Amino acid sequence: AQSVTQLGSHVSVSEGALVLLRCNYSSSVPPYLFWYVQYPNQGLQLLLKYTSAATLVKGINGFEAEFKKSETSFHLTKPSAHMSDAAEYFCAVSDNTGNQFYFGTGTSLTVIP
Amino acid sequence: EAGVAQSPRYKIIEKRQSVAFWCNPISGHATLYWYQQILGQGPKLLIQFQNNGVVDDSQLPKDRFSAERLKGVDSTLKIQPAKLEDSAVYLCASSYGELAGGVLETQYFGPGTRLLVL
Repeated sequence: AQSVTQLGSHVSVSEGALVLLRCNYSSSVPPYLFWYVQYPNQGLQLLLKYTSAATLVKGINGFEAEFKKSETSFHLTKPSAHMSDAAEYFCAVSDNTGNQFYFGTGTSLTVIP
Repeated sequence: EAGVAQSPRYKIIEKRQSVAFWCNPISGHATLYWYQQILGQGPKLLIQFQNNGVVDDSQLPKDRFSAERLKGVDSTLKIQPAKLEDSAVYLCASSYGELAGGVLETQYFGPGTRLLVL
């Protein structure tokens, strides 16, 4: 079975500062890992996904994440936060057939001007 | 390309009433998912269809929830009877569903239906 844990339900950063959102996974099989963003009153949008290719994955809007098997982590980063990055971010995991899809509880990102 | 469509966007009902949600996936997408997102939590997969067959419904409360995708395109999720704890946003997502070259196809989400049970 798969699961993800997102550390920190709320993260605040200053505009221009580094964004780091943490995600740790648990999986009995090689996982596929995802980061989604959800803006208020909107559906989820895929930021990036890891599917056993390169361990450093680049996504949209300047975000990237690194798959670290030894740490069972898939943290999301962005070098410089922008006001428009304020949203809810979800880490998710599936097995390598795309089934057993589980989301974390989410991290709310606030960007301070 | 048109996105995933859901209706209604909002629904308010009283407990013990019935409610149905509709989803029209992106054209050509074989896989369709229904999720329940309770306020402050991540989405929880309720049911996954591949064409008109069920792939995974292990987290669907089958005593009150049902879903169908009869023609392998549109899908309907029903709750009968509703309970207070069913208040949530119900998200529909779709994907091609194929592992093309080992790459999992992306899920595309609709805007959701916000349900309030009083």
